[in-house]
Amino acid sequence: GNSVTQMEGPVTLSEEAFLTINCTYTATGYPSLFWYVQYPGEGLQLLLKATKADDKGSNKGFEATYRKETTSFHLEKGSVQVSDSAVYFCALRPPGGYNKLIFGAGTRLAVHP
Amino acid sequence: EAGVTQFPSHSVIEKGQTVTLRCDPISGHDNLYWYRRVMGKEIKFLLHFVKESKQDESGMPNNRFLAERTGGTYSTLKVQPAELEDSGVYFCASSRNTNEGNTIYFGEGSWLTVV
Repeated sequence: GNSVTQMEGPVTLSEEAFLTINCTYTATGYPSLFWYVQYPGEGLQLLLKATKADDKGSNKGFEATYRKETTSFHLEKGSVQVSDSAVYFCALRPPGGYNKLIFGAGTRLAVHP
Repeated sequence: EAGVTQFPSHSVIEKGQTVTLRCDPISGHDNLYWYRRVMGKEIKFLLHFVKESKQDESGMPNNRFLAERTGGTYSTLKVQPAELEDSGVYFCASSRNTNEGNTIYFGEGSWLTVV
């Protein structure tokens, strides 16, 4: 079946540190891959996405590359800010899945000054 | 343009009681979804409406959960009777269509605590 596994948190970093949040998936066919973010007190927001192998999604300094050979979609940012503190969710949409998203458990990121 | 709005934002009820959550999608969005996250685990799909019709309700956990979308506008999700394991965050989302590049917009969630 389809599933998403992401690294457990919390992840605690100092400002300007490099961030990696690992995400691997299991899926039938070629899913679309997403990173969503939930800032404190807010709803889920789409951060970035990739719809086919080797695509790189990017937004707000975050990047993730769709790696079919390793079934991964790791989230990276070169220099985090305190304002990046949030919960990050990796998700996939199976082919023909009518926007039925399958999420990982979420990774909480805390960035300290 | 208003986003997806959910009500109530927080609710604390006793086991055995009934709770009704409401979701107002973005105006013009025919597709409405319910998801939930329990006990810090993954966010799980519950169901998908297209207008007033249930397109996919494969994620509904049991018959204590009833979702409606009369008139194809707002939706309600009723839990009756509530159990302790129903505690969690219930997210509503909407989208204009289901095309590949379409964006799904989520609400802030309704936090439910059953005691």
